[in-house]
Amino acid sequence: GAVVSQHPSWVICKSGTSVKIECRSLDFQATTMFWYRQFPKQSLMLMATSNEGSKATYEQGVEKDKFLINHASLTLSTLTVTSAHPEDSSFYICSAKDVTYSGANVLTFGAGSRLTVL
Amino acid sequence: QKEVEQDPGPLSVPEGAIVSLNCTYSNSAFQYFMWYRQYSRKGPELLMYTYSSGNKEDGRFTAQVDKSSKYISLFIRDSQPSDSATYLCAMNTGFQKLVFGTGTRLLVSP
Repeated sequence: GAVVSQHPSWVICKSGTSVKIECRSLDFQATTMFWYRQFPKQSLMLMATSNEGSKATYEQGVEKDKFLINHASLTLSTLTVTSAHPEDSSFYICSAKDVTYSGANVLTFGAGSRLTVL
Repeated sequence: QKEVEQDPGPLSVPEGAIVSLNCTYSNSAFQYFMWYRQYSRKGPELLMYTYSSGNKEDGRFTAQVDKSSKYISLFIRDSQPSDSATYLCAMNTGFQKLVFGTGTRLLVSP
């Protein structure tokens, strides 16, 4: 099946700094990637849909200036948390459509990135 | 009412037990149903994928979909401590966004 690599797996930063998380599709091209956020013991919350070569589509309530998404190539999408604050501390997970399943939007996920803002 | 309802658990069972995990949903247009397993501090991994109604078996795992009742299940036979994880159901109409349940935390004790 499709494999998505996410880096870093965890990061600690000071309040006010920016953090970049990378999401790569291995051995396949992903024109669309999805970024999720997950709070402890809660389900996945879709933040935005990342489209290669165009602007990301953000879900309602997600600040696009706070969470910058860039999808510059068919295998790489990045999420930058700008001017991070402690309330941005969370588990961020990227995903891409699993090309094994041509009939539906079945997603394969990265391992996630745990962000802690001090 | 949420589109997808799932009991958060935790569900605690002894090793070797048969586990039943369930989700109900409200959108009758959902056609594609998935179960993801998520270990602590890891991303979800696809466990089972089913299209429309029926059963699907893969090793110790069986997925069931009953569209008439808007109810899906995941059965785990001979549960192992390594099955301890959070199980998320997910579904959609096709190429639309996946809708996830809240996840059920499963604990299998040796």
